[in-house]
Amino acid sequence: GEDVEQSLFLSVREGDSSVINCTYTDSSSTYLYWYKQEPGAGLQLLTYIFSNMDMKQDQRLTVLLNKKDKHLSLRIADTQTGDSAIYFCAEPISGGYNKLIFGAGTRLAVHP
Amino acid sequence: DSGVTQTPKHLITATGQRVTLRCSPRSGDLSVYWYQQSLDQGLQFLIHYYNGEERAKGNILERFSAQQFPDLHSELNLSSLELGDSALYFCASSMSGTLYNEQFFGPGTRLTVL
Repeated sequence: GEDVEQSLFLSVREGDSSVINCTYTDSSSTYLYWYKQEPGAGLQLLTYIFSNMDMKQDQRLTVLLNKKDKHLSLRIADTQTGDSAIYFCAEPISGGYNKLIFGAGTRLAVHP
Repeated sequence: DSGVTQTPKHLITATGQRVTLRCSPRSGDLSVYWYQQSLDQGLQFLIHYYNGEERAKGNILERFSAQQFPDLHSELNLSSLELGDSALYFCASSMSGTLYNEQFFGPGTRLTVL
């Protein structure tokens, strides 16, 4: 079945890099997504990567995709306290680009 | 602000009751999605409507139903409520129904069943 797995918790020092990892199951997924959820708020699309790409960089964010291992990672450079949030990896349910399966979410805690 | 509105923000009710959650998508978006976020199940896709028609169903219980109206707002109806239905219910909208389309999430409705 379809499943997206993430580690649940990550703690980093301010200014360090954060790496959040995710494994997914559907090799036919066209896009893979990273969403961010701040406390008390809804989800916000942070970035996405097309399946024919290995890497995508967007300012402090770098997404790496290893299709062979079905592994996705999100690297946040120079992590700030404002980056503290829950980060969700998501892939479309097979055959339906619109229906997303989310991982359990990784809670990122940034401390001084 | 995503442009997606949900009402009410909080809802407290008793077991066995019925509630209606409302969602207004972003202007111009034809697709509405409903998700449930709970501590034990995480974030689960419930149902997707596109321009008034149901397009896909996920892990939605038979006690739950939804619809999308001609003005594109959507309602999620939850009946015979149980304690386990307590969760955050999110609505999201997007412009198209296929391929890449960014889903914009509303702030959610927190349902507490006592």
